[in-house]
Amino acid sequence: RKEVEQDPGPFNVPEGATVAFNCTYSNSASQSFFWYRQDCRKEPKLLMSVYSSGNEDGRFTAQLNRASQYISLLIRDSKLSDSATYLCVARGSSASKIIFGSGTRLSIRP
Amino acid sequence: ETGVTQTPRHLVMGMTNKKSLKCEQHLGHNAMYWYKQSAKKPLELMFVYNFKEQTENNSVPSRFSPECPNSSHLFLHLHTLQPEDSALYLCASSQDLREDEQYFGPGTRLTVT
Repeated sequence: RKEVEQDPGPFNVPEGATVAFNCTYSNSASQSFFWYRQDCRKEPKLLMSVYSSGNEDGRFTAQLNRASQYISLLIRDSKLSDSATYLCVARGSSASKIIFGSGTRLSIRP
Repeated sequence: ETGVTQTPRHLVMGMTNKKSLKCEQHLGHNAMYWYKQSAKKPLELMFVYNFKEQTENNSVPSRFSPECPNSSHLFLHLHTLQPEDSALYLCASSQDLREDEQYFGPGTRLTVT
């Protein structure tokens, strides 16, 4: 089983739709969780951290469920510019214990 | 953005060649990382340096040799690579090992022939 598992997609949704991704992690000792965004042929960039209480940043909402060991990302009112690959990341006790998922590809159509 | 730069951006090398990848960060960070990103596979952490000291080597073959002369520069020396080593090699930095956010460079697209 992969340490961090994501549905690879692609998710193809119309502009304005709401889309949600889930990500599961296998190491219960993981302490921190993140969503990164990677555009085609570009480097990953931090989208948001994921806190136990859930957090929201504009149209983006991230949630963590430690009991079930999954994190989620919700994008509301999707824009064409949201088209990218979204990487789920779990981190252990130090920055050196970082595990990336393979990513979920999202394509927003006009 | 020029926070983390990498050179060269593209590299084609034969299996008997020796080459080096360079990474430089202009963010005043103390931790630097090398990652490998192959097609259809997740990013794999290769090496971690904190204040110039290597803190992590994730079972990387010895044909990859990192060097960190100071907190701003990181090198990856390559020799006798295999075709399966062809990938995007990404450098990243963070303020320190406790800091969550990593800033990535644009990567070096490596092809081994």
